Amino acid sequence: EVQLVQSGAEVKKPGESLKISCKGSGYSFTSYRIGWVRQMPGKGLEWMAIIYPGDSDTRYSPPFQGQVIISADKSISTAYLHWSSLKASDTAMYYCTRVGFGQQPDSWGQGTLVTVSS
Amino acid sequence: QSALTQPASVSGSPGQSITISCTGTSSDVGAYNFVSWYQQNPGKAPRLMIFGVTNRSSGVPDRFSGSKSGNTASLTISGLQAADEADYYCSSYTSSITLVVFGGGTKLTVL
Repeated sequence: EVQLVQSGAEVKKPGESLKISCKGSGYSFTSYRIGWVRQMPGKGLEWMAIIYPGDSDTRYSPPFQGQVIISADKSISTAYLHWSSLKASDTAMYYCTRVGFGQQPDSWGQGTLVTVSS
Repeated sequence: QSALTQPASVSGSPGQSITISCTGTSSDVGAYNFVSWYQQNPGKAPRLMIFGVTNRSSGVPDRFSGSKSGNTASLTISGLQAADEADYYCSSYTSSITLVVFGGGTKLTVL
């Protein structure tokens, strides 16, 4: 069974850094891209970025370019989403997703709630 | 790239059928048969319902069906049930660098 397990909820202050994780299991981690999706409170899904763990090829949606960094450690089947300096507007639920058939998300993590507040 | 366009809300009574549209461009929905639909219940992660325009994901009832015409994909739910009340999102493969684009989401209310 394909599973994506994300790290737990975080409460941070503006300006702090943060790295959240997404561990894949039940499939070949290096054979599928992993995507990150933001969902702000009461809003829709926003595609942020995508990484291919096999060669670390990364692509960012324009609104998120320069705002976050995604990475992956294939030795432990884990992908990461990193902020160097959080803003209050980063408060949201973040989902990782495996990208499968037709380069479409198929399996989803349970989500990581990030709250940024002074 | 711009998000795919979905109606903000649709509604229907139990037993009826509803259709949710998802309009894109010739760079995404119109160009590829890689359209997916997701159901999201409050406080939960999205669940894949339809992939490759018409294919139901494992465990999805055959009351859910997908189709596409030109730049518009559609999700139809027949025999509407109270349990179908949720938010629905479409996505498509896109020729842009990011490969994936989502719709803005549609809230389905079962009256």
